[in-house]
Amino acid sequence: DGGITQSPKYLFRKEGQNVTLSCEQNLNHDAMYWYRQDPGQGLRLIYYSQIVNDFQKGDIAEGYSVSREKKESFPLTVTSAQKNPTAFYLCASSIPPGQGADEQFFGPGTRLTVL
Amino acid sequence: AQSVTQLDSQVPVFEEAPVELRCNYSSSVSVYLFWYVQYPNQGLQLLLKYLSGSTLVKGINGFEAEFNKSQTSFHLRKPSVHISDTAEYFCAVSEIQGAQKLVFGQGTRLTINP
Repeated sequence: DGGITQSPKYLFRKEGQNVTLSCEQNLNHDAMYWYRQDPGQGLRLIYYSQIVNDFQKGDIAEGYSVSREKKESFPLTVTSAQKNPTAFYLCASSIPPGQGADEQFFGPGTRLTVL
Repeated sequence: AQSVTQLDSQVPVFEEAPVELRCNYSSSVSVYLFWYVQYPNQGLQLLLKYLSGSTLVKGINGFEAEFNKSQTSFHLRKPSVHISDTAEYFCAVSEIQGAQKLVFGQGTRLTINP
């Protein structure tokens, strides 16, 4: 079965700690995205990557970092510089624009809670 | 830049009643339009999309949406809802040209009462 997996499903962090959220896809998609979801605010784009070894900041990149060393993987690190990291984080992937589906496929999400 | 406004944060309806979830967008360029559904503590699932062609788009689970370019709207409708339709619904847009970044509305929580 093709799809996107995110781990862990729930994550607890103490203030001042960095944590890394995993996102893996076996859809052979070139593009991958990270979104943050807060109640009543919809989803906001953190980072995106259209190709291996390249990524761009989204609308709320401060306090986050990413890497894209493999096509299948796009991990997100929430650093201690992120002032309010408690949220639901969603990873997505897509084929490049203009090549067909033009939609993003989403993983099941990771809920991060800062204690 | 694009923006999306979902006009209702919550919509309660009775089972088997019709429902309309409203979405308006703003953009200086041509866009694709999407509706996604999110069940509690899950990711998003695509309901339907408008890329081009007929302005009436049919999706999964009996939902449909109509693209109205003059009113910059993309309202979602279902003629008869079921308890299982209880979820949060998101309208989103992306530029036709470019990096395919999605801009989401704030979401509408649809609650179906028996």
